[in-house]
Amino acid sequence: AQSVTQLGSHVSVSEGALVLLRCNYSSSVPPYLFWYVQYPNQGLQLLLKYTTGATLVKGINGFEAEFKKSETSFHLTKPSAHMSDAAEYFCAVSEGAGGTSYGKLTFGQGTILTVHP
Amino acid sequence: DADVTQTPRNRITKTGKRIMLECSQTKGHDRMYWYRQDPGLGLRLIYYSFDVKDINKGEISDGYSVSRQAQAKFSLSLESAIPNQTALYFCATSAGGQGRNGYTFGSGTRLTVV
Repeated sequence: AQSVTQLGSHVSVSEGALVLLRCNYSSSVPPYLFWYVQYPNQGLQLLLKYTTGATLVKGINGFEAEFKKSETSFHLTKPSAHMSDAAEYFCAVSEGAGGTSYGKLTFGQGTILTVHP
Repeated sequence: DADVTQTPRNRITKTGKRIMLECSQTKGHDRMYWYRQDPGLGLRLIYYSFDVKDINKGEISDGYSVSRQAQAKFSLSLESAIPNQTALYFCATSAGGQGRNGYTFGSGTRLTVV
């Protein structure tokens, strides 16, 4: 079975500072990995995803994430935070063929990002 | 129009009432899902359907039922609502295959059971 752990339910940064949101996963087969963002009173929007190929993936709004198989991690970063980045962020994993959770997304607990002026 | 539409957006209901949340999609996806979101718990899968004739329980299906009326429609029912079913509910869709494209989400239904 697959699982996702997001380290830190709340992260606070100053505007212009580095954003680092941590995600670790477990999966019995090579995973597909996702980051979603949820702005207040809205649904979830896909930020970026890793399926195969290059392990550093770039998404919308300047975010990127790196898949590290040896560390079973998929941390989300942004070099310089903006006030508009304040939101809740969810890491999610989907198992590919052969996994018991094939085709289903499992979500982490979410990390609320606060950006201070 | 949104790709995935959920109705109602907000609902307050009383304990013991039956309530239905509806979801429709224009993505043409064959897979549909219902999740509930609670603070600090992320999103948890209630039910999912990989096609019209396929319905599967998720990790927290007790107290819920679903109906897949057509490829584009997937409704969630609470047969007898209780206060701990107060949550934000999301419908999502995905294309068939290996799940590599992730999901498309609706805007959510905020349900309060009093």
